[in-house]
Amino acid sequence: DAKTTQPPSMDCAEGRAANLPCNHSTISGNEYVYWYRQIHSQGPQYIIHGLKNNETNEMASLIITEDRKSSTLILPHATLRDTAVYYCIVRVAGSSSNTGKLIFGQGTTLQVKP
Amino acid sequence: NAGVTQTPKFQVLKTGQSMTLQCAQDMNHEYMSWYRQDPGMGLRLIHYSVGAGITDQGEVPNGYNVSRSTTEDFPLRLLSAAPSQTSVYFCASSYSTSLSTTYEQYFGPGTRLTVT
Repeated sequence: DAKTTQPPSMDCAEGRAANLPCNHSTISGNEYVYWYRQIHSQGPQYIIHGLKNNETNEMASLIITEDRKSSTLILPHATLRDTAVYYCIVRVAGSSSNTGKLIFGQGTTLQVKP
Repeated sequence: NAGVTQTPKFQVLKTGQSMTLQCAQDMNHEYMSWYRQDPGMGLRLIHYSVGAGITDQGEVPNGYNVSRSTTEDFPLRLLSAAPSQTSVYFCASSYSTSLSTTYEQYFGPGTRLTVT
């Protein structure tokens, strides 16, 4: 699975959009980009995933560059409850040899401030 | 659905003691796994299972055993606890089929283990 690079920390004002970048320059054509977050002391929570098209759900939007070497997770109106560590993970899905392993890096600690 | 449940929530062990961390899911997920998270670090995969009767090692399997006799349960056993196993343990589950293009994993609330 490709390696990802994220900034260690970011701040965001409450009510503003939070844009979290992720670099995955070695991504392969069959690898998806997943985002999870971990609120303090809780288990990780799935946010969104995508292959090459931009994706949006009730939690966030995922923007993937055309060359797929980087992506941005967007929380459109950040709240204090969005303060968490955000993990960008790249991995293959849908393969019979897929073991389902998620490789968590250090992630980005997002601090939403009032 | 209760989702993924883990027991106990907290545990203190003495070096050399054994114990089993319980994990159960009621979503009929084929895939289950165990991670550990040390302070200030990301999660590391210990063991995983792609279905009942099938288990395999992750990144950090030493000191841990698992079994998967049912789809619902995936217990993690520490045979002889060591201080280095002090950590927070998370269990996760997901659908897992070769036809599935994507699937998210659902995590339990964690078990906080201290080994003295």
